Amino acid sequence: IQMTQSPSLLSASVGDRVTLSCKAGQNINNYLAWYQQKLGEAPKLLIYNANSLQTGIPSRFSGSGSGTDYTLTISSLQPEDVATYFCQQYNSWTTFGSGTKLEIK
Amino acid sequence: EVQILETGGGLVKPGGSLRLSCATSGFNFNDYFMNWVRQAPGKGLEWVAQIRNKNYNYATYYAESLEGRVTISRDDSKSSVYLQVSSLRAEDTAIYYCTRFRELRYYFDYWGQGVMVTVSS
Repeated sequence: IQMTQSPSLLSASVGDRVTLSCKAGQNINNYLAWYQQKLGEAPKLLIYNANSLQTGIPSRFSGSGSGTDYTLTISSLQPEDVATYFCQQYNSWTTFGSGTKLEIK
Repeated sequence: EVQILETGGGLVKPGGSLRLSCATSGFNFNDYFMNWVRQAPGKGLEWVAQIRNKNYNYATYYAESLEGRVTISRDDSKSSVYLQVSSLRAEDTAIYYCTRFRELRYYFDYWGQGVMVTVSS
């Protein structure tokens, strides 16, 4: 299943509400995870099952969506949120999106 | 504390082989399916291989792009997992991450720091 993330690059200001998109090639039944990868680090799980927040992840991160369209929202962007964000579907084996790089404006 | 540590990377000539190791601690290894995921320089994530636990007969699965060139194995007594890669090509150059998920959950909740494999003459 192909996963398409948009935009590929996003610049926003500290405190902004930020929305990242992930679109699946077919219905993935909410079997979607989001990961944050900071430069030089391993990916970190943020959200699983489309909207469940992983333990220890700040509540400013949230996930939503259904069917083929999913969203990761950061309610108030912080400097430490600079990273690349990947989505992963696990409805039909597993594939990752190509990522959205998030920068501070 | 969960710890996942990969070793065994390095520079390999095209056509060569490599065995990556992943040592884990801080969790019940027997409860988890273990995976390798790779990331080519500046690129996205690509799942490579999975080995299930004893409950699922240690079943193994491989990405089509590497089928026949990779073998994943695990040693529950050492809480470790291994990846043997052969007939290496330039396009196998990547950071290889060892990662886990609990039985049948399919999202990766902990990742190692990764090990770099460079295939070049």
